[in-house]
Amino acid sequence: GESVGLHLPTLSVQEGDNSIINCAYSNSASDYFIWYKQESGKGPQFIIDIRSNMDKRQGQRVTVLLNKTVKHLSLQIAATQPGDSAVYFCATSYGKLTFGQGTILTVHP
Amino acid sequence: NAGVTQTPKFRVLKTGQSMTLLCAQDMNHEYMYWYRQDPGMGLRLIHYSVGEGTTAKGEVPDGYNVSRLKKQNFLLGLESAAPSQTSVYFCASSHPGRLRGYTFGSGTRLTVV
Repeated sequence: GESVGLHLPTLSVQEGDNSIINCAYSNSASDYFIWYKQESGKGPQFIIDIRSNMDKRQGQRVTVLLNKTVKHLSLQIAATQPGDSAVYFCATSYGKLTFGQGTILTVHP
Repeated sequence: NAGVTQTPKFRVLKTGQSMTLLCAQDMNHEYMYWYRQDPGMGLRLIHYSVGEGTTAKGEVPDGYNVSRLKKQNFLLGLESAAPSQTSVYFCASSHPGRLRGYTFGSGTRLTVV
């Protein structure tokens, strides 16, 4: 079955640095990928998505990169701020969503 | 404010007790979902519904039942709670096919002792 995993469970950065969060997936038929942010005590919130026919997509301070050859995607956050501290999940879809474990991002002022 | 509302936010149950978690959405979404979130694991789908009066099993349905009597409400029931059901439960809703448009509630933290 499909599984989605994250390389690092925690990531600590200094304010102003760029952050990179990675995600590996196993189902090569996955055609849609989403990154979610989950703050403490809240449900996941959509950040950015990408379809399998793209390899890069940019949003406000965030970029998602997709490498279908190695089944890997990453979320880059530019100029990380303390308000970015949260758990970040990737999710993949072939029909319905499968969620990764989550990376805890801590931003130190 | 539009969104998904879950009640209660916290609950402690004794083993064998029953309870119902309520999810309500006011966005007229057709699809609704119940997930559980455990440490070190991603969100896992328990049950879902693609419309009023319909339900289907997800990845981890055992020990849970659901009902969708009204479009806006999706209930998750535990008939005989077990410590393994200690978790944080999230409800979500979406329009059909709108994977980007999942809206999540703020969660229910359930502890079974």
